[in-house]
Amino acid sequence: SSELTQDPAVSVALGQTVRITCQGDSLRSYYASWYQQKPGQAPVLVIYGKNNRPSGIPDRFSGSSSGNTASLTITGAQAEDEADYYCNSRDSSGNQGVFGGGTKLTVL
Amino acid sequence: QVQLVESGGGVVQPGGSLRLSCAASGFTFSSYGMHWVRQAPGKGLEWVAFIRYDGSNKYYADSVKGRFTISRDNSKNTLYLQMNSLRAEDTAVYYCAKDISGWSHDAFDIWGQGTMVTVSS
Repeated sequence: SSELTQDPAVSVALGQTVRITCQGDSLRSYYASWYQQKPGQAPVLVIYGKNNRPSGIPDRFSGSSSGNTASLTITGAQAEDEADYYCNSRDSSGNQGVFGGGTKLTVL
Repeated sequence: QVQLVESGGGVVQPGGSLRLSCAASGFTFSSYGMHWVRQAPGKGLEWVAFIRYDGSNKYYADSVKGRFTISRDNSKNTLYLQMNSLRAEDTAVYYCAKDISGWSHDAFDIWGQGTMVTVSS
């Protein structure tokens, strides 16, 4: 299986833009999906595919990808965006799933 | 409404077995792939297993291969995870999750609330 690497922690000032990245060889072949998890809650899908948002996810969340790196961008971060964010994709074989280690986002 | 409800968690001794269930409602269960994902206390998410919409193919994380079995009963709208030879490191909250695809591992758009499994003597 392959790995996905995320920065453990990122901070952003209220109303500013923040980018959370996810690196891995398999991202050259497969899209990443992104999940937001708040304490004591199940994860929530925020971005999938090329740059798709499920119904109910604010448009300040967007996704992009280049080479072996996928990115989640929050434009105009809000206090309620403070959470852990995880990327997910397939491994290089395409048969196993893999999560990044997660990024704890703090909104200052 | 669209919902996944896990059950079957509990405390089990090392080497023991447990079967988790995930009851689905509010969508056509038989059309979508399903996953199990776990989260050890204070740790990140770990993908565990995936089963295609018709049960024709199943895939496992290396950490559980040969010990865990994913299955589904589309007539009962229920997903299962049979866990054997349990180890302390299997202690986690186990989530079932629906894939947006029936065929491949793409993204998890619906999650259950999770069920806690504790492996301890």
